[in-house]
Amino acid sequence: DAGVTQSPTHLIKTRGQQVTLRCSPKSGHDTVSWYQQALGQGPQFIFQYYEEEERQRGNFPDRFSGHQFPNYSSELNVNALLLGDSALYLCASSLVTGDSGANVLTFGAGSRLTVL
Amino acid sequence: GEDVEQSLFLSVREGDSSVINCTYTDSSSTYLYWYKQEPGAGLQLLTYIFSNMDMKQDQRLTVLLNKKDKHLSLRIADTQTGDSAIYFCAERTGYSTLTFGKGTMLLVSP
Repeated sequence: DAGVTQSPTHLIKTRGQQVTLRCSPKSGHDTVSWYQQALGQGPQFIFQYYEEEERQRGNFPDRFSGHQFPNYSSELNVNALLLGDSALYLCASSLVTGDSGANVLTFGAGSRLTVL
Repeated sequence: GEDVEQSLFLSVREGDSSVINCTYTDSSSTYLYWYKQEPGAGLQLLTYIFSNMDMKQDQRLTVLLNKKDKHLSLRIADTQTGDSAIYFCAERTGYSTLTFGKGTMLLVSP
């Protein structure tokens, strides 16, 4: 059973560019969340998608946007990249009714973005 | 506001017990989680505890929750070198939304 898969694993961009990161959730999961993990920090919540809509959003600017497709996969887009956007971007999936309410998140290995 | 705090570093010898501590601020948190992150990898769920429980044991892992003090701990019995990693405490602050601490780096020496 495949877990959460993310692509690309590593990428390098320059300031002002745009980036798209992709995520396929664990089989059977219907909810996708994105987290940003800066070096030496814990993951910070960006947003969550369910039924192809953004259900919840963290404290991130509008430069960060996303999308969920009918097959539950998701994309994270970041426009006008800043040096401070350099981080590991983690995708996590869950089942809205899963785990008796615990809604356990299954994380992918992440996409490491470096902005020069 | 929401904040989760952890000590940054813990060093133990192989075979000893490790105790990683965490404090959280959101008294309405329903679930609390422990995740493990190895170098270059994503986060692996170790265990979680519901807020109406005081303790949960799962093989070598024991989670203790003091809801009054908003304190959570993870005890790893018979720590092995393969347990060396960063351990994150997280509280559920929204519908399946987690707030993480900065992580505790556990170093296990032979």
